[in-house]
Amino acid sequence: AQSVTQPDIHITVSEGASLELRCNYSYGATPYLFWYVQSPGQGLQLLLKYFSGDTLVQGIKGFEAEFKRSQSSFNLRKPSVHWSDAAEYFCAVGALQGAQKLVFGQGTRLTINP
Amino acid sequence: GAVVSQHPSWVICKSGTSVKIECRSLDFQATTMFWYRQFPKQSLMLMATSNEGSKATYEQGVEKDKFLINHASLTLSTLTVTSAHPEDSSFYICSARVDTGELFFGEGSRLTVL
Repeated sequence: AQSVTQPDIHITVSEGASLELRCNYSYGATPYLFWYVQSPGQGLQLLLKYFSGDTLVQGIKGFEAEFKRSQSSFNLRKPSVHWSDAAEYFCAVGALQGAQKLVFGQGTRLTINP
Repeated sequence: GAVVSQHPSWVICKSGTSVKIECRSLDFQATTMFWYRQFPKQSLMLMATSNEGSKATYEQGVEKDKFLINHASLTLSTLTVTSAHPEDSSFYICSARVDTGELFFGEGSRLTVL
C-alpha cells in the first residue's frame, strides 16, 4: 500500500530565508507525486506535480521539488519565502493509472517570522 | 485551472438531523469525484470515490449508510451525513479529476454538529 511521510510537523523560518519541506513516500510502482498548500479553513491548491521526465519540477509561487527515486523522496523547496507562504503543506502520492486516489502525508505547518 | 465549488462552506446542525454537502465542477465534467474528511490539524482522509451513474466506492471503515454519496450528473456529487452526531463534526473536502488526471479540490465544507 502506498504511504507518505512528512517528518516535520511544524517548521518556522524567517522571511527571505530558504525553505525545504521533506516528503518520503512508499509505493510499489511508478508514483504520481504532488505538493498541495492549504490556507486555514480553505481547500487545497496544487503547487506542483511529478509524473515523469525531468526530476526537478517547477511549480507556482516560486516553489520547486526534486524527485529522487533512490531516496524515495520528493522534497519541496523555495529559495526565499514570503510571509504569504505561511500555510499547511501536504505531500501526496497517487497511482499512475486507475482511480487516481491520493494518499496524503500528515502535513507540515509553515510559520514565517518577520 | 478547473474550478470545483462546494456548498455550503460551513453548516451548523442539531444532532440527529441530516446534512447535504454539494460538490460541483463548474467548468468541466467529472466522471470521478472524491470525498475527503479532515480533522483539525490533521491530514486528509479519503472517505469514498464517487462515480457518475454508479455506486460510490467507500474506503475501509467508512460507513456507507452514514455518509450517502450521490453522483447523479457529470458536474455534481453530493455527500449527505445522515443522523449527524457531534463526532461527525469535521472539514469535508471534495476533489474532481479532469481528463489529464489532475485533481482539483473544492474549498471545503465545515460541519459542526451540536
